[in-house]
Formats: sequence, structure tokens, C-alpha cells
Amino acid sequence: AQTVTQSQPEMSVQEAETVTLSCTYDTSESDYYLFWYKQPPSRQMILVIRQEAYKQQNATENRFSVNFQKAAKSFSLKISDSQLGDAAMYFCAYRFLQGGSEKLVFGKGTKLTVNP
Amino acid sequence: DAGVTQSPTHLIKTRGQHVTLRCSPISGHKSVSWYQQVLGQGPQFIFQYYEKEERGRGNFPDRFSARQFPNYSSELNVNALLLGDSALYLCASSFGGDYYGYTFGSGTRLTVV
Repeated sequence: AQTVTQSQPEMSVQEAETVTLSCTYDTSESDYYLFWYKQPPSRQMILVIRQEAYKQQNATENRFSVNFQKAAKSFSLKISDSQLGDAAMYFCAYRFLQGGSEKLVFGKGTKLTVNP
Repeated sequence: DAGVTQSPTHLIKTRGQHVTLRCSPISGHKSVSWYQQVLGQGPQFIFQYYEKEERGRGNFPDRFSARQFPNYSSELNVNALLLGDSALYLCASSFGGDYYGYTFGSGTRLTVV
């Protein structure tokens, strides 16, 4: 079964510093998609970054980048130059396909606090 | 363009009652999925609908049902509510079959008392 593990329930970072959130997953598939979502107190899940497993190049979106280690099944998120607005819950997710259906399997999340 | 719209935003129900939650996807999106997020946990998959057909169902009891309408909007129905059904219910839409990800609504906060 596909599972996603986020081992850091909480993390904190100083404004303008860099922080890395960890995520590992378990799958027997060779091609798949991984996502990081941000959930602020407004509750809406906001897509931060996505990674296609067949691409060896790590995805980057402005201050957000990932370190995708396919063999180790690791997908960490690095936030550079942290801003107060980055404070939120961050969820790692795996896109699971089966018999014509698709779903996201989420980790339990990491609460990120940004200190001024 | 309007995002994914969910209604109502908050709801309080009594045990044993029935509830209907609604979701309007982004224009052009044909796939709608429903997730349950219990406090302190990641979202759990409930249903996926694509082109008005159920494509996937998560590990939820038969008290949970859903449907998708010709305009691609969707309803999630929960019968015989239990205290444990209290959660944030999220709707996500996508074109279906692509990797661009899913756009989520702000959810419906359901409290069962």
C-alpha cells in the first residue's frame, strides 16, 4: 500500500532563514507524482510544488525547491528566505492511480512556525 | 476565474441526522474528489467522480455517498451522522488524468454534537 510519512510534526525557522521539511513514501510503482501542499489557517490546501518521478531534475518554484531521491523514496521540501506568510501546515502527498481512479495519499503534516 | 467553491462553510448537526455538502469545481474541470480531514491529520480520500461516474472510493462506510451532476458540480451526502464524522470536508477538482495537480476548496467544517 502507498504510504506517506512526515516525521516532523512541528518545525520552526527564523525569518529569512532556510528550512527543510522531510517526507518519505512507500510505493512499488516506477512512475508517479509527488506534491507538497500548504494549508494556512484559512483551511484551503494550496499547491506549493510538484515532482514527476521520471524526471531526475528537482522541481523548483521561486523560494521553494525539493530534494527528490527516488531510490531512497524521499521527497523533502526546502524553503529559502522564509517569510512570515510561509507559516502553515505543510502536507506531502503521493498521487495514486488504480483502475481508472486517482487519489492523493497525504502524510500527517508538518506545522511550520516562522519567527520574526 | 472562480476557484473551487464549497458550501456551506460551517455546519452543526446532531447525531443521527443527514447532511449534504456541495462543491462547484473550476470551470473546465471534470474530476471532483472529496476528502475528510480530521483535526491534526492529513486529508483522507473519500470519493472521486469523473464525467459523472464514480471512479474511486476510499475506506468509508456506506453512510457516505456522492454524486456528480451534468455541470460537474458534486454533492457529498452523509447519513446517520456520528460524532466521529466531525471533520473538515475538502473538495478538489482537476481536469482528470493529468499531473498538474488538484485545486482544493476551502472546505466545509462539519461538527456533529
